[in-house]
Amino acid sequence: KAGVTQTPRYLIKTRGQQVTLSCSPISGHRSVSWYQQTPGQGLQFLFEYFSETQRNKGNFPGRFSGRQFSNSRSEMNVSTLELGDSALYLCASSITGTGHGYTFGSGTRLTVV
Amino acid sequence: TQLLEQSPQFLSIQEGENLTVYCNSSSVFSSLQWYRQEPGEGPVLLVTVVTGGEVKKLKRLTFQFGDARKDSSLHITAAQPGDTGLYLCAGGGVTGDMRFGAGTRLTVKP
Repeated sequence: KAGVTQTPRYLIKTRGQQVTLSCSPISGHRSVSWYQQTPGQGLQFLFEYFSETQRNKGNFPGRFSGRQFSNSRSEMNVSTLELGDSALYLCASSITGTGHGYTFGSGTRLTVV
Repeated sequence: TQLLEQSPQFLSIQEGENLTVYCNSSSVFSSLQWYRQEPGEGPVLLVTVVTGGEVKKLKRLTFQFGDARKDSSLHITAAQPGDTGLYLCAGGGVTGDMRFGAGTRLTVKP
């Protein structure tokens, strides 16, 4: 079965711009979680969506937002980009998000210049 | 502050040696997972443990979940260069907010 697909794989943006990242989960998986990974902070939880509803949210500013569509595909948006937003953004899907492990995508490497 | 503390942060060993990495927390988790991540890729799930005291084996890897479901360990026997990577533990909440430790970066030299 197809894995988790994240697009684009690489992205370079300028400070102040906004960006939208996409994640297609494994078929049948209704939970999609987003993480930011940096060398200094490790994997930081952004938010989790389940059946089109944001169920959990991490400690990130409001510039970071997301949504989930009826087919479980998810997008995250970052507005007014800052240099510190440069990171690997990972999306993970699971059947329910509780008690089950995640399947991760390969991530989107975002560089803000 | 990491909810899950992993130790050691870095580990460099020779092929054939044994090693143990630890994952500790003051919180109780409904489940705990271990992942391995290679550069430029997402983490790959190795195991999920759910029951306190549970031990799972995956070839040369042995995973243990603490009795109180607050800590876990990963033991690798006769490490090989292919075991090199970032090992991450993650604790699951009741409603899908999985939190990760900072990881142990393992290097196995041939």
